Amino acid sequence: KNEVEQSPQNLTAQEGEFITINCSYSVGISALHWLQQHPGGGIVSLFMLSSGKKKHGRLIATINIQEKHSSLHITASHPRDSAVYICAVTPNQTGANNLFFGTGTRLTVIP
Amino acid sequence: KAGVTQTPRYLIKTRGQQVTLSCSPISGHRSVSWYQQTPGQGLQFLFEYFSETQRNKGNFPGRFSGRQFSNSRSEMNVSTLELGDSALYLCASSPTPGYGYTFGSGTRLTVV
Repeated sequence: KNEVEQSPQNLTAQEGEFITINCSYSVGISALHWLQQHPGGGIVSLFMLSSGKKKHGRLIATINIQEKHSSLHITASHPRDSAVYICAVTPNQTGANNLFFGTGTRLTVIP
Repeated sequence: KAGVTQTPRYLIKTRGQQVTLSCSPISGHRSVSWYQQTPGQGLQFLFEYFSETQRNKGNFPGRFSGRQFSNSRSEMNVSTLELGDSALYLCASSPTPGYGYTFGSGTRLTVV
């Protein structure tokens, strides 16, 4: 069983729609990361969260530590948001700074 | 400031050969971690280095190894390549372990 589960796996939206991607994890964590990967492979780190909520432009990330759940929201989606969004966690183990990754959500925004 | 630089971007090797990949972190970042991405397994952690010491290692065979130099640049080596080693290899740097990762563009390795 994967320590990090994401849903949905694939998401198609019309330009302008509000988008939510969900992430659930099963281990204790010290941080949760949302990553964006465009075709070609480069990964951009969008957010790192340990509690609460963060906002950057049209992107909002929330985390509920008690429920072991995080969401990534995109407001007013745009075709340039089309990418794979990956949730990753840093497990809360002594000396462990590796990341466990979800399988990613492929988002396609149609003009 | 310059980002994380990985070289080469693309590589084709033959089964049984060995390969060395390079990662230059952002200036001032002392932690470098390596990841393998394949269509079947997704992203998986390989290992992490901080101040020239390997701090963590993922569940990969001993054919996968790495090191970090005093200038924080890191290399990973895969010996006796197998077809299944074909993947995108990504490195990430951070100022300290576990915080504020910046990823490189990756090296796409194809083993034939």
